This record gives sequence, structure tokens and C-alpha cells, in this order.
Amino acid sequence: QKEVEQNSGPLSVPEGAIASLNCTYSDRGSQSFFWYRQYSGKSPELIMFIYSNGDKEDGRFTAQLNKASQYVSLLIRDSQPSDSATYLCAVNKAGGGNKLTFGTGTQLKVEL
Amino acid sequence: KAGVTQTPRYLIKTRGQQVTLSCSPISGHRSVSWYQQTPGQGLQFLFEYFSETQRNKGNFPGRFSGRQFSNSRSEMNVSTLELGDSALYLCASSWTGANEKLFFGSGTQLSVL
Repeated sequence: QKEVEQNSGPLSVPEGAIASLNCTYSDRGSQSFFWYRQYSGKSPELIMFIYSNGDKEDGRFTAQLNKASQYVSLLIRDSQPSDSATYLCAVNKAGGGNKLTFGTGTQLKVEL
Repeated sequence: KAGVTQTPRYLIKTRGQQVTLSCSPISGHRSVSWYQQTPGQGLQFLFEYFSETQRNKGNFPGRFSGRQFSNSRSEMNVSTLELGDSALYLCASSWTGANEKLFFGSGTQLSVL
């Protein structure tokens, strides 16, 4: 079992719809959770981070964390073609410095 | 403010050679991490340096090594290159490295022939 699992996709959504990206993790010691966006040929860019159970909203993005279920998700409202990218889920353990464990990413395609 | 700078952008080497990659973090950032990205394995953690000390290490063979200088700039070295070392090597920096946001550089694309 991989430490961080994501559906590789591609996940296709129409422009203006809500895109829902999911991630599960296996280590209950994981403490912080990150979503990175990576455009083809570019480096990852942090878009959301969440530490506590519940929802965290930032503009069109909402991160959701459920530690009991070991599940973290990212919702993108009003999806735009510019949101088309690979979304990487990453987790970090308590006291782990910056040793992030990444999922392999979900490719999102927002269609006109 | 300048971002994370990695040099060189591209490298082509042959099996058995060694290579050194360089990373200059964002000014003021003291933590530098290195990751290897391949299509099959995704992003995998190599090591992290903070204040010139290796704080974390991933599950890579000893051929992979790194160091950090007093100005927080970091280098990683891969000796005795293998074909499987072909990858994008990404450097990321943060202020102190404790569960913080990472800022990634553009990476060095290494091809081993």
C-alpha cells in the first residue's frame, strides 16, 4: 500500500463545474497536508495546506481533512481551463521537518 | 524577491559519471530539500538540510549525497550514475523547515545515457 494514494485520472470536468480531488494516506502520524498544482513542464506550486480536521477555504479552493478516515480532498469551484494541471497531495509527519510524502498526482482537465 | 534557483537546467551524462546540482534558496530561507521526480514514481524525497546539517534523509542509496553551505545554498551529488537516475531533480526551500510551505525551483532535468 502506498503511503499517499491518489486517483491518477484524468478527471474531466466542464468549465464552471466543481472539481473534486481526493487523497488517502496510511500513516496516522501525519500532521500536515498540502495540495500542490503542477503544470506540464513546470515545478509544483503550493495552493492549499491544512492542519486541522474540517474545511479550509481560500478563494475558489477548499481543502477538507478527515483524520479519522485518513482522507484529504480538494474542491475547486467554478473550474477554469487554466486549472487544468496535475494536482499533488502531500503529507508530513509531526516533527518531520520538511520530509513530504507525495502522491503520484491527479490530472485534471477542465473542458470548454 | 528572487525565487529558488537551480542550476544547471539540463544535464546529459553517461553511466558511471558523477554529477553535481546546485540550488540557491529564497533569501532568508534556511531549509533546503531535494526531491526526485520521475513519471513512474512521482516525487520522492531525497534529503533535507537546515543550517548546514542534514535533518532528514529519504530511501535512496549512498550514491546520492548533499550538503548545505553557510549561506544556505545547497548542492547534491550523484556518483556512479545509473540509467535509472534519469529524472527531474527539484529543490525546495522554506524558512525553518517545520511543516512549512515549500517553494520549489524549476528543477534540473538529468538524462543518463
